[in-house]
Amino acid sequence: DAKTTQPTSMDCAEGRAANLPCNHSTISGNEYVYWYRQIHSQGPQYIIHGLKNNETNEMASLIITEDRKSSTLILPHATLRDTAVYYCIVGSGNTGKLIFGQGTTLQVKP
Amino acid sequence: EPEVTQTPSHQVTQMGQEVILRCVPISNHLYFYWYRQILGQKVEFLVSFYNNEISEKSEIFDDQFSVERPDGSNFTLKIRSTKLEDSAMYFCASSEVQGPYGYTFGSGTRLTVV
Repeated sequence: DAKTTQPTSMDCAEGRAANLPCNHSTISGNEYVYWYRQIHSQGPQYIIHGLKNNETNEMASLIITEDRKSSTLILPHATLRDTAVYYCIVGSGNTGKLIFGQGTTLQVKP
Repeated sequence: EPEVTQTPSHQVTQMGQEVILRCVPISNHLYFYWYRQILGQKVEFLVSFYNNEISEKSEIFDDQFSVERPDGSNFTLKIRSTKLEDSAMYFCASSEVQGPYGYTFGSGTRLTVV
């Protein structure tokens, strides 16, 4: 599985967009990019995933570069409840296994 | 919104004892998983389960661990002889389709081995 690199931590002002970057330069052609988050010590929560096109759902947008070597998760209007650890994970659709890294701790501040 | 339910939320056990962690996945989901997170560390995959058998397991999931779907609703993780290093938060998850997206995780069971 391709590895990912994320910043350790980020701050964001409440109401502003939070842009969380992820590098995955060794991603292979059939691998997807998945984003999950973990609020405090709760179970991780699925956010969004994509292969090469940009994706949007009710929670977030995912922007994947044309060469697929990096991506950005965008929370359009961050709230205090979005404070969490955000994980960028790369993997194929053939396995259900998620390999978590350390993620990015996003602190949303009032 | 459908939930994955885990019981108990917290379990304390003596070293060497057997524990069973219980999970009720979402009813129409077909794929089931266990993960664990030692305090302050990464979330780690343990095992995936589909069609009444293990699909994939990690190196952590040794002979001390077993999983079972004893009826149509429960999914259990058994640790036969607990060790201090088994202390962790254990998360159950389920998904409707294969592939690491759209999982729903439970709130976890905090296992403390003393």
